[in-house]
Amino acid sequence: SQTIHQWPATLVQPVGSPLSLECTVEGTSNPNLYWYRQAAGRGLQLLFYSVGIGQISSEVPQNLSASRPQDRQFILSSKKLLLSDSGFYLCAWSDWGTTKSYYGYTFGSGTRLTVV
Amino acid sequence: AQTVTQSQPEMSVQEAETVTLSCTYDTSENNYYLFWYKQPPSRQMILVIRQEAYKQQNATENRFSVNFQKAAKSFSLKISDSQLGDTAMYFCAFMKGSYQKVTFGTGTKLQVIP
Repeated sequence: SQTIHQWPATLVQPVGSPLSLECTVEGTSNPNLYWYRQAAGRGLQLLFYSVGIGQISSEVPQNLSASRPQDRQFILSSKKLLLSDSGFYLCAWSDWGTTKSYYGYTFGSGTRLTVV
Repeated sequence: AQTVTQSQPEMSVQEAETVTLSCTYDTSENNYYLFWYKQPPSRQMILVIRQEAYKQQNATENRFSVNFQKAAKSFSLKISDSQLGDTAMYFCAFMKGSYQKVTFGTGTKLQVIP
């Protein structure tokens, strides 16, 4: 069965420090992968998505970047964190299932990032 | 661009009662998918139910059912026999496109009262 792992679960970082959040998927190949951010009391905002190794699309201009060095690995990074980068970050992969019917996203457990 | 609107920021329901969460969306597409996701206090996002727009029959998953009105672009979620474990934030979501990008509403916080 397919599983998705995301870490760390919680992170407190000072302003100006670098960031690296990692997401890996097991049990599937060539998944579409996504990074979302959820600000306090708000919905989910799509940050990046990837349809293959080395293919990254950005949805919003920001201080963050993403990379996909392997088929089932998706990394969210920043060189210098801002206070506004605080939030809850979710990784997801897209599931077409076995019957060509779209099942929706499967999400990782999320990372709560606090920039201080 | 598609938009998803959830007009009820918070709702409450007595245990064992029925509650309906509202969602409207805006799109010019004819074929698409709609979802309801649940986010309990653990913050793990869980798929509750999905609807394919070309199917006229409303989706049902145990105590959860939807009322899909395509012409009105409405997609409400009904929770029957509410349980304490249903306490969560509920997000309505829309998907269309080859890259399966999903647009989420701002969520409805549901509290089930014992």
